[in-house]
Amino acid sequence: EPEVTQTPSHQVTQMGQEVILRCVPISNHLYFYWYRQILGQKVEFLVSFYNNEISEKSEIFDDQFSVERPDGSNFTLKIRSTKLEDSAMYFCASRDNQETQYFGPGTRLLVL
Amino acid sequence: DQQVKQNSPSLSVQEGRISILNCDYTNSMFDYFLWYKKYPAEGPTFLISISSIKDKNEDGRFTVFLNKSAKHLSLHIVPSQPGDSAVYFCAASARFGNEKLTFGTGTRLTIIP
Repeated sequence: EPEVTQTPSHQVTQMGQEVILRCVPISNHLYFYWYRQILGQKVEFLVSFYNNEISEKSEIFDDQFSVERPDGSNFTLKIRSTKLEDSAMYFCASRDNQETQYFGPGTRLLVL
Repeated sequence: DQQVKQNSPSLSVQEGRISILNCDYTNSMFDYFLWYKKYPAEGPTFLISISSIKDKNEDGRFTVFLNKSAKHLSLHIVPSQPGDSAVYFCAASARFGNEKLTFGTGTRLTIIP
């Protein structure tokens, strides 16, 4: 069964460093999303992406964040200068023209 | 922002009995609802969904009920099995799933053998 994959599974970085989180969505899907879950809190929407552009972004998704689909398979989330409060699980999701979003296993980001 | 609420942080149910997980929402624009199951250190796994044009959707042991007037949905699992022990998230979307998901805080379900 096709699934969303994410790398790395864990990332530890120093405050102020750039990180890139990678996702390979399900191959025939057209809509891509990033969510995050800070420990003990709910899963929160960050950004949605369709047709090579951002369709919606949340207040969390400020100028420090960017997304890219550099080729036909990868979807990346870049955090330019990480802050302590960026520590969270980051989930990628994708869907086709149907409504259901399918999630990857997540990347646990720890900013020290 | 509490647009989707799961008021029970935890629930324990005997194996073989029915598990009922509840979810309330406040945003009347929501018209598509999903339940996800999540194990620690894994991503949410899709279980079942329902659109606002229905009031019930069933898939095997899982049934979701939607009461639009009360802005309430519930997930029934019957019979409950030990492998069902996980955190269950309710999520909602507008424009029939074409928009972002708004999640509840989750309910930790423990099935007691």
